[in-house]
Parts: sequence; structure tokens; C-alpha cells
Amino acid sequence: DGGITQSPKYLFRKEGQNVTLSCEQNLNHDAMYWYRQDPGQGLRLIYYSQIVNDFQKGDIAEGYSVSREKKESFPLTVTSAQKNPTAFYLCASSTQGAGELFFGEGSRLTVL
Amino acid sequence: GQQLNQSPQSMFIQEGEDVSMNCTSSSIFNTWLWYKQDPGEGPVLLIALYKAGELTSNGRLTAQFGITRKDSFLNISASIPSDVGIYFCAGYGANSGYALNFGKGTSLLVTP
Repeated sequence: DGGITQSPKYLFRKEGQNVTLSCEQNLNHDAMYWYRQDPGQGLRLIYYSQIVNDFQKGDIAEGYSVSREKKESFPLTVTSAQKNPTAFYLCASSTQGAGELFFGEGSRLTVL
Repeated sequence: GQQLNQSPQSMFIQEGEDVSMNCTSSSIFNTWLWYKQDPGEGPVLLIALYKAGELTSNGRLTAQFGITRKDSFLNISASIPSDVGIYFCAGYGANSGYALNFGKGTSLLVTP
């Protein structure tokens, strides 16, 4: 079945550790996005990529890094520089920029 | 990103009642999208609107793209318990490029 797969669904890490969240899509979508969700805050854009090997910062990119080496994959690394990393992270994709976004099931990161 | 004001923040209703929520922007939007999110899951697209004045239905859901292009509303008729969740409005502003802006969500609770 076509869709967006995020892994892991739950992740715990200690302070000071980097962690990478996986996002894979088999929808043949060009654009991919990472959002962060905190209770009562809605969704905030971290990074997005319109094509392979290119990506742009969103509103809250500090402390995060991404890569887009393949069309179907857009991993997000939460670095130790991110001051408040505990959150629900959502990956999305769309056929083109400014189009309808389709979301994965999310990854919940908890920093202990 | 551009700020979207979504209201109400939460609603607590009885099964069978109709529900209305809305979203406003300080600037003109070209596209309005409405999503529903179940707990611990990613948002799912409900309705997409592309033209000012457009009125679109999806089963018991009806959404409209405001004529001023600065607002949109979502109505749910004859609510049922599975309507429970968080509803988000989202849109692309005239100057927001590829960044989809989200409201903070309306949390809906339905009692049998």
C-alpha cells in the first residue's frame, strides 16, 4: 500500500544525544516536510524539501538537521543543540510545492 | 509562517448536534485545507478548498473558502462519537511560498 512510514513510533533518549527519525514514502511525491507538534501549539514547520539534494529551513530549524539523498527518504536528526526536543514529530509529503500534504503516523520523542 | 486564528479552541457536544469551527488569517490565502487528527496519529486531510467562495462537502462535513480569502469554516452535521479528535485548518498564503500554515486546532469531544 502507498503511504508514508515514520519510525520509530516512540523513542527515548538521554540529554546530549543525537537521534535520527526516519521518514519514507512510496507515493512518488517530490516534496517532503517535517513538523513538530506540542500540546496546544498546532504544527510548526522544521524543514522541507522540494527536490532531491535540496532542502530549506522552516520556522523552527535550530537544533535540527535533515538530508534528502533519495526522493523517497527524508530523515530528521534532532541534535543535542535542540533545547527542548521532547515532542511529537510529523513527516509529510506532497506531489508538489504548495499542494495537499499527506502525513505519516508520527514519532514521539521523549528526552529523559 | 503566517498566523492562523482558529476557534473555538475546544468544543464539548452531545451526539447528534451540529458543529461549526472557523479559521481566520490577517492576509489573503490561496488554498485552505482542513485536517482531522486522532490521538497519537498523524493528521488526515478532510477537505481542500482552492477558490474564494467555494463550498465543498465530504459526507457530513462541509467547508467553505471565505469570499474575502481571509477565512474558512468547517461544519460537521449530526455529530457521532467517532468525530472526536483535533481539527486543524491550514492554508497557503499569497506570500508563504511552499510553507503550509496551520491553526492551533479545535479539540472536539462528543458524548453519546
